[in-house]
Amino acid sequence: GAVVSQHPSRVICKSGTSVKIECRSLDFQATTMFWYRQFPKQSLMLMATSNEGSKATYEQGVEKDKFLINHASLTLSTLTVTSAHPEDSSFYICSARDSGGAGNSPLHFGNGTRLTVT
Amino acid sequence: EDQVTQSPEALRLQEGESSSLNCSYTVSGLRGLFWYRQDPGKGPEFLFTLYSAGEEKEKERLKATLTKKESFLHITAPKPEDSATYLCAAYNAGNMLTFGGGTRLMVKP
Repeated sequence: GAVVSQHPSRVICKSGTSVKIECRSLDFQATTMFWYRQFPKQSLMLMATSNEGSKATYEQGVEKDKFLINHASLTLSTLTVTSAHPEDSSFYICSARDSGGAGNSPLHFGNGTRLTVT
Repeated sequence: EDQVTQSPEALRLQEGESSSLNCSYTVSGLRGLFWYRQDPGKGPEFLFTLYSAGEEKEKERLKATLTKKESFLHITAPKPEDSATYLCAAYNAGNMLTFGGGTRLMVKP
C-alpha cells in the first residue's frame, strides 16, 4: 500500500519551454502533497506544499510563478516548471501523506523526475 | 530552528561488518522520527517510524532506535544490496518535517 506514482521519470527540454510533472497517490487520498528538489549528493529541499482545492504554499526563495503547482483532486498534484532554464535542471520528487492517517504519519515518495534543460 | 544532523556522511563497510548510523535532532515537540532508504535516481523508500524515546523497530538486518536526542539505525551483517543513502526526518509539534543530510552507505562484498 501507500504507493505514489510520479511521471515522467526523465525529461529533457529546451531552454524556455515548460515541463509538467505529475504526482499521483494510487491507493490513498492525499489532501496535502509536497514537492522537493534534490541536488547531487544532497538531501531533499522542500519547495512547496500542495493543498487540494487551494493555493500551494511555497518555501522561501522558491518562485511561485516559475514553479506552478496545481492540486486538482485528492489523488493528483502537478508541478509545472515554466520557461525552464539550465539552472532548473535537477531531480524533483513529490510526496504525499494519507489523509486518513494522523498528521504525523510518514510521507510516501514518488520515484522522482530527472529534469535536464538544454 | 529545528535541526536534524546525520553522521557519518559516508560509510564504507565490508559485507558482514555491522555498524550504526546516527541521526541527532533538535526539534520542538518531536511528533515522530522516520528513516528512509534512497537508491540512486529513486525517491526515498519508507523504512521505519519511531514516535517515542525507547521505541525500537526492526526489519530484516535493520533496527532503528530512538532516544530523546538521537536515533540510531543499526545494520547487522550488511550485504551489498544494503548499499544506499539512508535519510532520517523528524516531525515537530506543527507537523513540519525536517530531513537530515543522509548517510551514504557502501557495503563491499
